[in-house]
Amino acid sequence: FMLTQPHSVSESPGKTVTITCTRSSGSIADNYVQWYQQRPGSSPTSVIFEDSERPSGVPDRFSGSIDTSSNSASLTISGLRTEDEADYYCQSYDTVNHVVFGGGTKLTVL
Amino acid sequence: QVHLVESGGGVVQPGRSLRLSCAASGFTFSSFAMHWVRQSPGKGLEWVAVISYEGRDDYYADSVKGRFVISRDNSKNTVYLQMNSLRPEDTAMYYCVKGLSMVQADSWGQGTLVTVSS
Repeated sequence: FMLTQPHSVSESPGKTVTITCTRSSGSIADNYVQWYQQRPGSSPTSVIFEDSERPSGVPDRFSGSIDTSSNSASLTISGLRTEDEADYYCQSYDTVNHVVFGGGTKLTVL
Repeated sequence: QVHLVESGGGVVQPGRSLRLSCAASGFTFSSFAMHWVRQSPGKGLEWVAVISYEGRDDYYADSVKGRFVISRDNSKNTVYLQMNSLRPEDTAMYYCVKGLSMVQADSWGQGTLVTVSS
């Protein structure tokens, strides 16, 4: 299966943005979705695990959800800050040897 | 605090081999699966391989199966990636990643760059 993300999104500081991740086959609800943030020149860090859980230290401005009707997962960032400007990747799996990342979404905070 | 330090990257000719290492600290290494994930220049993330906490089970992406081998030494808190028969398309930053599970990534190292070129 594949995970499809928009190539880029942009929004103004203080606003809310949602990044989607659509699963091509199999149910989005069958396997957990994770989200990673990668700032320019840095390695990725986890911002959401198991669909909607936040690692310690990640602000509650970041939230995750899944929608079975569209077979997609979403990462929502509220109260946007310039420091949120980064690439965001979703990740899921179907078997232990088939771990899949989405293509990534570049978030620009204007 | 989880700390992962990769080493062993460099420039290598097609068909040659390279071994990457990742030294871990800040957590009970022997209790967690470990992954390797790579990122080609300017591209997205690609999962490469995973090894179970005790080293008994390992799994690979189709793109590297039969060429790469993941291993670990829990006495040294180190995970390895032996890369054989390297191809230009293997050129990437290779990240060592602590696993939340065998299928979920958690904490990432800073990466080591592998360039396959003649």
